[in-house]
Amino acid sequence: EAEVAQSPRYKITEKSQAVAFWCDPISGHATLYWYRQILGQGPELLVQFQDESVVDDSQLPKDRFSAERLKGVDSTLKIQPAELGDSAMYLCASSLTGTGVGETQYFGPGTRLLVL
Amino acid sequence: GQQVMQIPQYQHVQEGEDFTTYCNSSTTLSNIQWYKQRPGGHPVFLIQLVKSGEVKKQKRLTFQFGEAKKNSSLHITATQTTDVGTYFCAGPPGGSYIPTFGRGTSLIVHP
Repeated sequence: EAEVAQSPRYKITEKSQAVAFWCDPISGHATLYWYRQILGQGPELLVQFQDESVVDDSQLPKDRFSAERLKGVDSTLKIQPAELGDSAMYLCASSLTGTGVGETQYFGPGTRLLVL
Repeated sequence: GQQVMQIPQYQHVQEGEDFTTYCNSSTTLSNIQWYKQRPGGHPVFLIQLVKSGEVKKQKRLTFQFGEAKKNSSLHITATQTTDVGTYFCAGPPGGSYIPTFGRGTSLIVHP
């Protein structure tokens, strides 16, 4: 069964350092999402891509976060500089078209970030 | 903005007891989705409800969507230790494709 791939699975960094996370969605899925999940809370959408274009990044802290999906396939989420409050699980998800109401999102295993 | 509330936050049950979690939205939803996240894992899609008053069953799980499409519930009959995890509801407000997730209900099943 096809899965969303993410790496690394775990990342420990010091504050003010730069970190980057990678996601490879299910093959053929046009839409890719990045979520942040703080311990004890539900996933919060950071950015949504439709192919290579950003559809929604209203919740992305653009002063330190950036995301790209240059060829409309895999994607990178970067944080520079990292802050203590960025410690969380970063989840990537994909869906087939992203334009169907309630379309199922398939989540990757996530990258757990700890900022010291 | 839209808020999705889930109660309870935690629920401890003895194996074999029933469990229910409730989801309430501040706005009308296009649909409601339910996900399960095992400890240390990632959210996994369970089901989607679209129609007002819809009820769907998956073995011991029963999902309901309210008549006003602003609330939903998940009921598990005769819980098992494999049911342990956090159950999230997620719903896009009308006209949106992006679901807003609730904070989840963590189910702990004691053998």
